[in-house]
Amino acid sequence: KAGVTQTPRYLIKTRGQQVTLSCSPISGHRSVSWYQQTPGQGLQFLFEYFSETQRNKGNFPGRFSGRQFSNSRSEMNVSTLELGDSALYLCASSLWDSYGYTFGSGTRLTVV
Amino acid sequence: SQQGEEDPQALSIQEGENATMNCSYKTSINNLQWYRQNSGRGLVHLILIRSNEREKHSGRLRVTLDTSKKSSSLLITASRAADTASYFCATDEKKAAGNKLTFGGGTRVLVKP
Repeated sequence: KAGVTQTPRYLIKTRGQQVTLSCSPISGHRSVSWYQQTPGQGLQFLFEYFSETQRNKGNFPGRFSGRQFSNSRSEMNVSTLELGDSALYLCASSLWDSYGYTFGSGTRLTVV
Repeated sequence: SQQGEEDPQALSIQEGENATMNCSYKTSINNLQWYRQNSGRGLVHLILIRSNEREKHSGRLRVTLDTSKKSSSLLITASRAADTASYFCATDEKKAAGNKLTFGGGTRVLVKP
């Protein structure tokens, strides 16, 4: 079966712009989570969606937002980009709560 | 914030040797998971151990969990060059609703041929 698909793989944006990243989970997985990975802060939880509802949110500013569609596909948006937003953004899907995750290959965002 | 501390931060071994890495965490958990990451790519789920389990095996991997000490270890036996990667522990905290993993800082493993 197809894995978790994230698009685009690479992205370069300018400070102040906004960006939208996309994630298609494994078919049948209704939970989709987003993580940010940076060399300094490591892997940090952004938010989790289940059946189009945000169930959890990490400690990130309001510039970071997300949504999930009825087909479980998810998008995350970052507005007013800052240099510090440069990171690898990872999406993960899970079949059940407290279950293993399947991660996508990530979107590497560079803000210049 | 990171819940887990991983030790060591980096490990260099010869092919065929065993690699052991440790993870400590702070809160009560539902389960603890280990993931592998190759060169900044996506994470690959290796093994999940529930809070009521003490040891679990999967192929060349052995994971232990000591909830009284809030610690876990991952052992990779008979390592191969292909095991070169970063390894992360992640906890699924009891108080958290839904799915939310808190990751450790990771251990970088280099397996020399």
